[in-house]
Amino acid sequence: AQSVTQLGSHVSVSEGALVLLRCNYSSSVPPYLFWYVQYPNQGLQLLLKYTSAATLVKGINGFEAEFKKSETSFHLTKPSAHMSDAAEYFCAVSHTGNQFYFGTGTSLTVIP
Amino acid sequence: EAGVAQSPRYKIIEKRQSVAFWCNPISGHATLYWYQQILGQGPKLLIQFQNNGVVDDSQLPKDRFSAERLKGVDSTLKIQPAKLEDSAVYLCASRRGGFVDGLAKNIQYFGAGTRLSVL
Repeated sequence: AQSVTQLGSHVSVSEGALVLLRCNYSSSVPPYLFWYVQYPNQGLQLLLKYTSAATLVKGINGFEAEFKKSETSFHLTKPSAHMSDAAEYFCAVSHTGNQFYFGTGTSLTVIP
Repeated sequence: EAGVAQSPRYKIIEKRQSVAFWCNPISGHATLYWYQQILGQGPKLLIQFQNNGVVDDSQLPKDRFSAERLKGVDSTLKIQPAKLEDSAVYLCASRRGGFVDGLAKNIQYFGAGTRLSVL
């Protein structure tokens, strides 16, 4: 069975500080991995995806994530947080590329 | 390119009433998903269509939930009768590729969702 675990349901960072959102996956084979962002009252928007090419994946809005097979992790980072980054972030996994399983989400607060 | 459209945006009903949600995917997208997102949780897949056929409805509570995509374009999700625990945001997503395409044509685009409150 595939699943993802997002450590920390709430993360607060100061504006300009490093953002680190954690995601660990459980899968028998390296899956496809995704990070989505959800702003209030909006649907999910894809930030980036890992599809077994480069292990360091760059996404939109300055976010990136690194796939680490040995740690079964796919943590999301951004060097410098902006106020506009405040949102809910979801990690998702797919083995087939057709069906997706989402984590419980991490709410990011950016403190001015 | 227009995005995934959903209506209504908000719905408040009493328990045991019926409700229906509508989704119009991006033009040309073969695959359509309905997700349930309960407050504080990630989206959970309810049903997946490819064109007008059901690919996966294993997590759909079939005693009260139903969905259709008759012409392979827009879709409706119905709850009859609603329970308190059905309060959630119902998200529709679409993807250009079909089931066999895997990740090749695979980015899901999400609608803004319908927020359902069951009182």
